Amino acid sequence: DTGVSQDPRHKITKRGQNVTFRCDPISEHNRLYWYRQTLGQGPEFLTYFQNEAQLEKSRLLSDRFSAERPKGSFSTLEIQRTEQGDSAMYLCASSRPGTVSSGANVLTFGAGSRLTVL
Amino acid sequence: SQQGEEDPQALSIQEGENATMNCSYKTSINNLQWYRQNSGRGLVHLILIRSNEREKHSGRLRVTLDTSKKSSSLLITASRAADTASYFCATDPRMDSSYKLIFGSGTRLLVRP
Repeated sequence: DTGVSQDPRHKITKRGQNVTFRCDPISEHNRLYWYRQTLGQGPEFLTYFQNEAQLEKSRLLSDRFSAERPKGSFSTLEIQRTEQGDSAMYLCASSRPGTVSSGANVLTFGAGSRLTVL
Repeated sequence: SQQGEEDPQALSIQEGENATMNCSYKTSINNLQWYRQNSGRGLVHLILIRSNEREKHSGRLRVTLDTSKKSSSLLITASRAADTASYFCATDPRMDSSYKLIFGSGTRLLVRP
């Protein structure tokens, strides 16, 4: 297990279509995060899971966005009825169990999934 | 929303020079981290400094933290062309036991050979 994997790396879609991204975290990591990053900006937090429980969602995550982590392993992020404003890099990250004091919120990122909505 | 603001937004230096980036944040934190991102790639963790620490070193990296001013700085000494990347600070805001990190807007560093 060499790191966090994201698929697909690039997705071009037409406005109104649905898209789904997949993230496979490092196997021993129990927390999984989704961030969105637009050009020239820092990553914006979307949501995170601890095992299969979705513990926090940003207000950025509109009702067109849904994330799942059904068995506490891989996660999917679905965007329904895509809009041009959804064009961004979607980053997945994971972190290991433990406490913050032991560095458990140090994130390991995947390479990202770049979405272009035409 | 982004808690951290990096300064400068962009920095261009000659190879061998030192690069200093600053980060300011708004809320109390448990720790502050710095990440690096090469163009079009994911972020890579560089260094973490806890709220009760003032300075930390790792190789050519030196991080300082001033919680009274809610600011941090990242110094890269003897820069190399391979250091060209974007650098982000990330804070753990310590609200409701959340493990999320809030990232700043980044400093784009160009090291000229």
